[in-house]
Amino acid sequence: SYELTQPPSVSVSPGQTARITCSGDALPKKYAYWYQQKSGQAPVLVIYEDSKRPSGIPERFSGSSSGTMATLTISGAQVEDEADYYCYSTDSSGNHSYVFGTGTKVTVL
Amino acid sequence: EVQLVESGGGVVRPGGSLRLSCAASGFTFDDYGMSWVRQAPGKGLEWVSGINWNGGSTGYADSVKGRFTISRDNAKNSLYLQMNSLRAEDTALYHCARVVNPIVVVPAAMPWFDPWGQGTLVTVSS
Repeated sequence: SYELTQPPSVSVSPGQTARITCSGDALPKKYAYWYQQKSGQAPVLVIYEDSKRPSGIPERFSGSSSGTMATLTISGAQVEDEADYYCYSTDSSGNHSYVFGTGTKVTVL
Repeated sequence: EVQLVESGGGVVRPGGSLRLSCAASGFTFDDYGMSWVRQAPGKGLEWVSGINWNGGSTGYADSVKGRFTISRDNAKNSLYLQMNSLRAEDTALYHCARVVNPIVVVPAAMPWFDPWGQGTLVTVSS
């Protein structure tokens, strides 16, 4: 089955830049999407189609993708950005298998 | 305001059944596909099942195929998940989510989930 691999954790100081990677063989052909999940809350979409930001999401969140790796960047991380982040995509088989990444815990301290 | 509220979770023995419900409000329900996504305690997210706007097309993860059935009642703005032959590994928080289709249909694009409900907890234990 298709897998999207993320680092388990990323730590960043307030005001610094955090980068979270997502690796998957189909990413050269498929968009990546990113979800933020704060403790005890439902996931919230922060990036769609590699780099687009939904309305209401702060500009410090940005996304990019190159080859088999997608990256979520938090520029000037805030304490309130501490959360789990999941990438989301699909394989290129056309079988509609929707896959989430392994998740990355971002700590801001 | 778009709202999705799940219900029906609980404790069930292995081999048992449970039916989850999701009540939708704040949007035109039959304009959207819907999905269930689960999260085992302390673990990541797993897509479980999806259904199109009129119930005519459904999909399932391999882990639940043949045991779970997704359905919807557009007159009641409700989504359901019938879970049979439950196993310990089905223990999770089950979220319902609205499916958003890409505006521009290109091969790279795919549906995504937005928003999500808070979830209902299913515990399978003897």
